[in-house]
Amino acid sequence: GDSVTQKEGLVTLTEGLPVMLNCTYQTIYSNAFLFWYVHYLNESPRLLLKSSTDNKRTEHQGFHATLHKSSSSFHLQKSSAQLSDSALYYCALKDTNTGKLTFGDGTVLTVKP
Amino acid sequence: DAAVTQKPRYLIKMKGQEAEMKCIPEKGHTAVFWYQQKQSKELKFLIYFQNQQPLDQIDMVKERFSAVCPSSSLCSLGIRTCEAEDSALYLCSSSQSGGQGSNERLFFGHGTKLSVL
Repeated sequence: GDSVTQKEGLVTLTEGLPVMLNCTYQTIYSNAFLFWYVHYLNESPRLLLKSSTDNKRTEHQGFHATLHKSSSSFHLQKSSAQLSDSALYYCALKDTNTGKLTFGDGTVLTVKP
Repeated sequence: DAAVTQKPRYLIKMKGQEAEMKCIPEKGHTAVFWYQQKQSKELKFLIYFQNQQPLDQIDMVKERFSAVCPSSSLCSLGIRTCEAEDSALYLCSSSQSGGQGSNERLFFGHGTKLSVL
């Protein structure tokens, strides 16, 4: 079945430094639809951004990610971390038959002054 | 933004008791998903409804949970006999059409935090 791997469970950064959260996936389908969701404390998880076509970059709220089918990756990046970026980030892969999302284990991003 | 409503926000049960959580999906959404989140980390898929019909669920749900969506405006997830390992945040989410929308997003509720003592 589908699987998503987020190898970093915890990332701690100093404000202003670049952010990169890794996400790789496995699926038997040639079409892959990847998402990044962000979960702030005491809020509901919400969509941060979603993949486009292969090798095309998508951006939202300062974050960006590029789907690379050749490496089965959809890493999340931001050029300069802000304190308000501290949250739990999930990478997710969509099963286009059922609509079910398979989530990675999540990466807790902590940004310090 | 979308509004998926979950009630109650917090639920405390003793081991062996029954628990029930409710979810009101976003209006017009036909797909409903339940996820379990433990220790503020992994989001584990539990069950999926499309047009009120359960289409996919994990074994744990089949064995110990009860989940229904009697109408498009109300779904519920129940645990017949709570165990300590069931302590978690239960998140309900909905989407407009489920699988048909390839890059369609899920909208999540705030969740029901269940504590089993």
